[in-house]
Amino acid sequence: KAGVTQTPRYLIKTRGQQVTLSCSPISGHRSVSWYQQTPGQGLQFLFEYFSETQRNKGNFPGRFSGRQFSNSRSEMNVSTLELGDSALYLCASSTKLGLADYNEQFFGPGTRLTVL
Amino acid sequence: KQEVTQIPAALSVPEGENLVLNCSFTDSAIYNLQWFRQDPGKGLTSLLLIQSSQREQTSGRLNASLDKSSGRSTLYIAASQPGDSATYLCAVGDMRFGAGTRLTVKP
Repeated sequence: KAGVTQTPRYLIKTRGQQVTLSCSPISGHRSVSWYQQTPGQGLQFLFEYFSETQRNKGNFPGRFSGRQFSNSRSEMNVSTLELGDSALYLCASSTKLGLADYNEQFFGPGTRLTVL
Repeated sequence: KQEVTQIPAALSVPEGENLVLNCSFTDSAIYNLQWFRQDPGKGLTSLLLIQSSQREQTSGRLNASLDKSSGRSTLYIAASQPGDSATYLCAVGDMRFGAGTRLTVKP
């Protein structure tokens, strides 16, 4: 069974640009969550999508957005990039069904975003 | 707001030692707790998932326990090996993560 895949693996952008990251979950997983990992803040939850709907959201500015397609693939977008957005962006998928039903999460390898 | 703390932040042990990593959380109303390992620059690998109704889970040399009443979980690694060197993270409920414990196992 293929794992969670993320593309691209590495990305370099300049301040003010926007970026779109992609995540393909494990087949059959309908829940996709996104996380930002930095040395200073650690792993922080961005948002979660389930059946094309955002069900949960972390404490990030509106520049961070996402969407999920009917095949459960998800994208996240960051507009007007800032230097502080440099991070490893991870997505995870699970068979989670209900809002409070957190099944085991499986993570992708991440996208390393560098903002210059 | 759930706060997750992992102690120690870093640990270095000689190969073969048994060791315990700690995870504490402030809100005991959690649904489950999951332990992960992360190798440098890589994604997270799930190690063990403990549902709120369970007390412990075992996989090979790993054993994780959960005590909701005291807000604590431990990850026990038996007979450590250099390949166990990684950062270990715990995540509770709505995927709030601790800062992790960086483990180094010296040959």
